[in-house]
Amino acid sequence: DVVMTQTPPSLSVAIGQSVSISCKSSQSLVYSDGKTYLHWLLQSPGRSPKRLIYQVSNLGSGVPDRFSGTGSQKDFTLKISRVEAEDLGVYYCAQTTHFPLTFGSGTKLEIK
Amino acid sequence: VQLVESGGGLVQPGKSLKLSCSASGFTFSSYGMHWIRQAPGKGLDWVAYISSSSGTVYADAVKGRFTISRDNAKNTLYLQLNSLKSEDTAIYYCAKGGSWGQGVMVTVSS
Repeated sequence: DVVMTQTPPSLSVAIGQSVSISCKSSQSLVYSDGKTYLHWLLQSPGRSPKRLIYQVSNLGSGVPDRFSGTGSQKDFTLKISRVEAEDLGVYYCAQTTHFPLTFGSGTKLEIK
Repeated sequence: VQLVESGGGLVQPGKSLKLSCSASGFTFSSYGMHWIRQAPGKGLDWVAYISSSSGTVYADAVKGRFTISRDNAKNTLYLQLNSLKSEDTAIYYCAKGGSWGQGVMVTVSS
């Protein structure tokens, strides 16, 4: 199984600051079609997960451009510029390149 | 896209339960679908996948006990849970691409 190592486990940031979350996979996430199926999700308190970014760097529908994703192969980063109060929750990276699908352990973002 | 799960509840160990996920807003028959679960206070755990042609893949933890299926005429995804264990206690979500349902709680306890 592909192990997704996500860091840090938690972050406490002030409104307007920028933060980055790292996700490293134990195997390359490049699929045979050449695409990389690494995604970022946000689970706001009491809600189901919402996809923020798909295939490394593509913004999901309605997601503000304060969110950005970068990376390749086995090393990926989610950056949130100018954090807002609504950004609090748990962020997960997820890979859908290989079965079984696997997720990072989550990064809990708190607002100072 | 809208996904609405139902069928959860409290069930004794060893018993069975069937979850449903009603889909709308897209051509259901054209897409593969997933079940993903989340134990209380824990992270996300993929359970099963069914392709548009009804090919299936399961997590090792549920293989032989859970069955994913679909009824394209009813735009509905199912998950049959048999031989339930306490460790199956979780919120179960159906998901398609970037869309997730609201989840349904399954509690396995005597």
